[in-house]
This record gives sequence, structure tokens and C-alpha cells, in this order.
Amino acid sequence: QVLLVESGGGVVRAGRSLRLSCAASGFPFSTYTFHWVRQAPGKGLEWVTLISYDGSNRYYADSVRGRFTISRDNSKNTLYLQMNSLRPEDTALYYCAREAADYLDYWGQGALVTVSS
Amino acid sequence: DIQMTQSPSTLSASVGDRVTITCRASQSINSWLAWYQQQVGKAPKVLIYEASSLESGVPSRFSGTRSGTEFTLTISSLQPDDFATYYCQQYYSYPLTFGGGTKVEIK
Repeated sequence: QVLLVESGGGVVRAGRSLRLSCAASGFPFSTYTFHWVRQAPGKGLEWVTLISYDGSNRYYADSVRGRFTISRDNSKNTLYLQMNSLRPEDTALYYCAREAADYLDYWGQGALVTVSS
Repeated sequence: DIQMTQSPSTLSASVGDRVTITCRASQSINSWLAWYQQQVGKAPKVLIYEASSLESGVPSRFSGTRSGTEFTLTISSLQPDDFATYYCQQYYSYPLTFGGGTKVEIK
């Protein structure tokens, strides 16, 4: 079955970096576009970024552009989110999600990132 | 950016009730709208896509409609498993945007 498992979350000081990973299994990873969506504690969902199936197209939310970088390794069935210059407002549960015909059909369980000031 | 305004933010209902949640887009998004359910401590799960198409495996008590830029999610007969938070999301253009959420509580 489709499985997405995030890892790499943790507690980090403001201004530092962190890299999240999302390991996928159960489907042909290299044929799908992927997204990262985050959810601050007790808040709603906020879209962060996406990467096309071959990595040729990437889009970012204004709130993270220039600080976060999405990438993928199709040989490892893994999605990444490199987060630099982290801010307290980046504290959230980060979900990776698969895109099917433009909407998000499968989500991981999330990786918690806490940025302390 | 396209703003998605969802109402109400909280809704109290009983098992068996018919429940309606509304989402309004700040501009035309055609039918490029999805509805997600998020239970406490879990990841979101898609219920409806393209405004009215039921995702595979989702119970038929969930339905979605569109009228211009106003979208509605209806649960025909609320079940215990349906007490959760619901989000709409447009995928007409980037950045993708979500509504603020509707928490369905037990009355």
C-alpha cells in the first residue's frame, strides 16, 4: 500500500538548518509530484512547496522562498526539504503529500519541527 | 493569492444530523477544489476532489457541490467517526491555499 514516512524533525535554534526526508513506498515514486504542507500547533494547514515528478518544476510559498529547498532522489524513492535560516514561526508539523490529478491523495504522518528563539 | 473563506469555524452536531460546511473562493477556481478531513492527531485525508467527486473508499454520506465560487461539503447523516476538522483547498493556482478549517464537535 502507499506509505509516506517523514523523518528528520527536531528542535533547532533560530537561524539554524534542518533537513526533512520523506521515504515513499508502495507505488512508482518517480511518476508523481510531491508537496510539503505544514501545520503550526493548533492551527490550520499551510502549503509550503512542491516538486514535479522529475524535479524540473518547483514552487514555493512566499513565507519560505529563498530559505527552503525541495528536492527528490528518484533512485531512493525519497523526498527532501532543506530548511535554512529557520525562524520560530516555522515551528510546525511538516507533512509530505503525494499529488494525484492536482489534489493531495496521500499524506505522511508528519515530522515535528520546533524552532526556539 | 486566492483566499479560501470557510464557515462556520466550529459546528456542534449530533450523530445522525445533516451537516453542511461552506467554502468561498476569492476568485473563480472553476471546480478545482478538494475537501479534507483531519481527525485529532492524524494526517489529513481527502474526501472530495474536483468539487464533487468522491474519493475512492470514502463513504457516500459525504458529498460536495459547487455554485460559482461557493462550495459546500455535506455529511448526510453524521457518524461518530466524522467528528473532526474539515478543510477546503483550491488547486486552481499556486500557491495552493486552504480554508481556515471547520471543527465538527459533538453536541
